[in-house]
Amino acid sequence: DAGVIQSPRHEVTEMGQEVTLRCKPISGHNSLFWYRQTMMRGLELLIYFNNNVPIDDSGMPEDRFSAKMPNASFSTLKIQPSEPRDSAVYFCASRGTGTSPLHFGNGTRLTVT
Amino acid sequence: AQRVTQPEKLLSVFKGAPVELKCNYSYSGSPELFWYVQYSRQRLQLLLRHISRESIKGFTADLNKGETSFHLKKPFAQEEDSAMYYCALNTGGGNKLTFGTGTQLKVEL
Repeated sequence: DAGVIQSPRHEVTEMGQEVTLRCKPISGHNSLFWYRQTMMRGLELLIYFNNNVPIDDSGMPEDRFSAKMPNASFSTLKIQPSEPRDSAVYFCASRGTGTSPLHFGNGTRLTVT
Repeated sequence: AQRVTQPEKLLSVFKGAPVELKCNYSYSGSPELFWYVQYSRQRLQLLLRHISRESIKGFTADLNKGETSFHLKKPFAQEEDSAMYYCALNTGGGNKLTFGTGTQLKVEL
């Protein structure tokens, strides 16, 4: 198993542009999480899905952020329009049932200039 | 609301010295706690969880409900322990893992 796969690894964009981050969870995992990592705030949960359904999006900072999970093997996190303060590393993680641990992707480092 | 506090952003120790990374939590229910580690240029990975009561890479952590703490300890630090450590809380029955802000451990020779 290749683990959780995120793309791109790095994204540099200008303020105002749309950014789409992608994630492929581990096959068979039924929960998917999007986290944002910054020096100041550490790891913040943005949103998570259970069986492709968004369960808790209270961590999504603004309406500029949206996330979808059209099927069990794919999710996107979109920022439109992007702002410099969105610069961070965005992690996707997936988890199976019960007390199984989170498995993280390598993250996408986003820089908005 | 649940909260995880890691008071130290950076902890620097000498090789061979004991290590204690502090973690306190706030949750009214029955907590489930984890430690995750992120080595340089690697993805976050699970280090240990309190329900397993295990020792991984020499690290242990005991849940103290009275003090609402789950400190990570190791008697003798090694250079390869240098990494970012995150304490995390899973609220019982739920699927939401709340992380602390992390502690960067630096083991010096």
